[in-house]
Amino acid sequence: DQQVKQNSPSLSVQEGRISILNCDYTNSMFDYFLWYKKYPAEGPTFLISISSIKDKNEDGRFTVFLNKSAKHLSLHIVPSQPGDSAVYFCAARHGTSYGKLTFGQGTILTVHP
Amino acid sequence: GAVVSQHPSWVICKSGTSVKIECRSLDFQATTMFWYRQFPKQSLMLMATSNEGSKATYEQGVEKDKFLINHASLTLSTLTVTSAHPEDSSFYICSANQGGHYEQYFGPGTRLTVT
Repeated sequence: DQQVKQNSPSLSVQEGRISILNCDYTNSMFDYFLWYKKYPAEGPTFLISISSIKDKNEDGRFTVFLNKSAKHLSLHIVPSQPGDSAVYFCAARHGTSYGKLTFGQGTILTVHP
Repeated sequence: GAVVSQHPSWVICKSGTSVKIECRSLDFQATTMFWYRQFPKQSLMLMATSNEGSKATYEQGVEKDKFLINHASLTLSTLTVTSAHPEDSSFYICSANQGGHYEQYFGPGTRLTVT
């Protein structure tokens, strides 16, 4: 049962344009959502997060949007840079899970110069 | 801040031997640490959650006698893969969070190859 889904395995974007990575979830008990960036053979790096009581959180070039009614969140990167090329994972925290995160399958982002 | 280290970064061992992987939070006290494994081109799969001074909680399907977890202090957790087999070859990643914080900070991972 995949409770967090990233339906696009890959995304290719031109440098300077917007990258939009999507994530859907099924469990309405998730109360906190996070995005991580990961390079091969390295651990994930925390990017940005959002609480379920908000619908938007922004940090520099990264903005996360949450649509609770649709159980959907997205990560916007503007402008995209070649160094953003990596695998992006969304993750969700269950309100009673003692910090445990459920991860999506990841989306490979490639930003072309 | 929020740096997590793992040691070793890669290890090759023979089938039947045991391997210990260390996870340390370098600049904060980790009330909870998590152990994941990742197969190529797949997501991170949570193996277990450990809290300092108590027994680890294992996810369904993870053999607790095979993957021994010890969280001896607020800055150190260890994962021991006992009697390793080639199918245990994987990328093992730990993470840690501070009490009251939701973000998990990940270590760089350990590549285990069992021959």
